[in-house]
Amino acid sequence: DSGVTQTPKHLITATGQRVTLRCSPRSGDLSVYWYQQSLDQGLQFLIQYYNGEERAKGNILERFSAQQFPDLHSELNLSSLELGDSALYFCASSARDSAYNEQFFGPGTRLTVL
Amino acid sequence: TQLLEQSPQFLSIQEGENLTVYCNSSSVFSSLQWYRQEPGEGPVLLVTVVTGGEVKKLKRLTFQFGDARKDSSLHITAAQPGDTGLYLCAGARWGNKLVFGAGTILRVKS
Repeated sequence: DSGVTQTPKHLITATGQRVTLRCSPRSGDLSVYWYQQSLDQGLQFLIQYYNGEERAKGNILERFSAQQFPDLHSELNLSSLELGDSALYFCASSARDSAYNEQFFGPGTRLTVL
Repeated sequence: TQLLEQSPQFLSIQEGENLTVYCNSSSVFSSLQWYRQEPGEGPVLLVTVVTGGEVKKLKRLTFQFGDARKDSSLHITAAQPGDTGLYLCAGARWGNKLVFGAGTILRVKS
């Protein structure tokens, strides 16, 4: 158990819909990272927040957005969903704001868009 | 094109055999991490290497960072069925983002 929790574990929805994925980092960790993992693209970095502020952006679509709240939990919002958005979405947390720091991954949310 | 190329993509071996997984790039990384991921779970960090030429050992696993900090290898001695999983290398480039390789799927048969 990494200490990072993600909900829901599975999500099935239709094209055009909007969903919200939730992540609670390990106690004391200030950085939260979101990743998308698909068979054809592998594990892709989406976005990072540190203590409530956006810190780094990766291959995140404009239809996707995220935020980190004062209690440090984070939400990833996916809108106008397409079939190609079906993937595993992982949240990771680390103590500080650096890729040197060990990132602890949550169990992931499996999103299926029908 | 992947910034980090991992090879081989798939590896199926018998229990007790040795194996090496490679992670190569034309780019220099400030650090490189190796993760192991099991089906239905998130990646778990195995090691971080920072210094060019660094070698780290974790029981039967040996990790090496290339002198030029562009490549890394993971060697497993006497593989066991419990080693089965997806092995991912990830590089950091003096920033906050980690770039992951496509991964090596290892299957160890008993």
